Amino acid sequence: AQKVTQAQTEISVVEKEDVTLDCVYETRDTTYYLFWYKQPPSGELVFLIRRNSFDEQNEISGRYSWNFQKSTSSFNFTITASQVVDSAVYFCALSDHSGAGSYQLTFGKGTKLSVIP
Amino acid sequence: KAGVTQTPRYLIKTRGQQVTLSCSPISGHRSVSWYQQTPGQGLQFLFEYFSETQRNKGNFPGRFSGRQFSNSRSEMNVSTLELGDSALYLCASSLGSQGRNEQFFGPGTRLTVL
Repeated sequence: AQKVTQAQTEISVVEKEDVTLDCVYETRDTTYYLFWYKQPPSGELVFLIRRNSFDEQNEISGRYSWNFQKSTSSFNFTITASQVVDSAVYFCALSDHSGAGSYQLTFGKGTKLSVIP
Repeated sequence: KAGVTQTPRYLIKTRGQQVTLSCSPISGHRSVSWYQQTPGQGLQFLFEYFSETQRNKGNFPGRFSGRQFSNSRSEMNVSTLELGDSALYLCASSLGSQGRNEQFFGPGTRLTVL
């Protein structure tokens, strides 16, 4: 079973629109970590945020905000007033023990966001 | 502070050959992880090295191996290359465990197997 599901493969929005990227995860661990990374066309992944399973507070950073809901196993990412520079592939990732004894990171398939001017 | 560097950036090999990729982490980072990125499978974890020891390994065949040196630089090796090994190989470094910390990624090595 897929541990991290990003159901939206591609999204296109017009500049200044708000957009939400969905992420649903699956784990049996009570302690785990969730991440979002951005991969612009240049290729290098850039860290956006980390959340541990005990911290359900929503986070806002400028135009970016994240909604973590354990009840629905979701960790959604919203960009407000999108800009062309937001065009990238966004990855959600889960880190848990996976029975391996140490934390291992599993990425979702990614959502490609295109912001049209 | 210099970022994560990977060499070479592009590589073309033929089936059956072997290849070695190199990664220099950010100064002070002791954890180096490797990932394979392909259009079909997405981003998949290969392995993590911490203080010269392999700490974690993904679900890849034994043809994929790695090592880390005392200066934290890391290499990964793929032997007996197959067409399916064509991918972008990404290296990432972090202060602590890759599973719990922010990782800094390099630009990747694009490997093409003919």
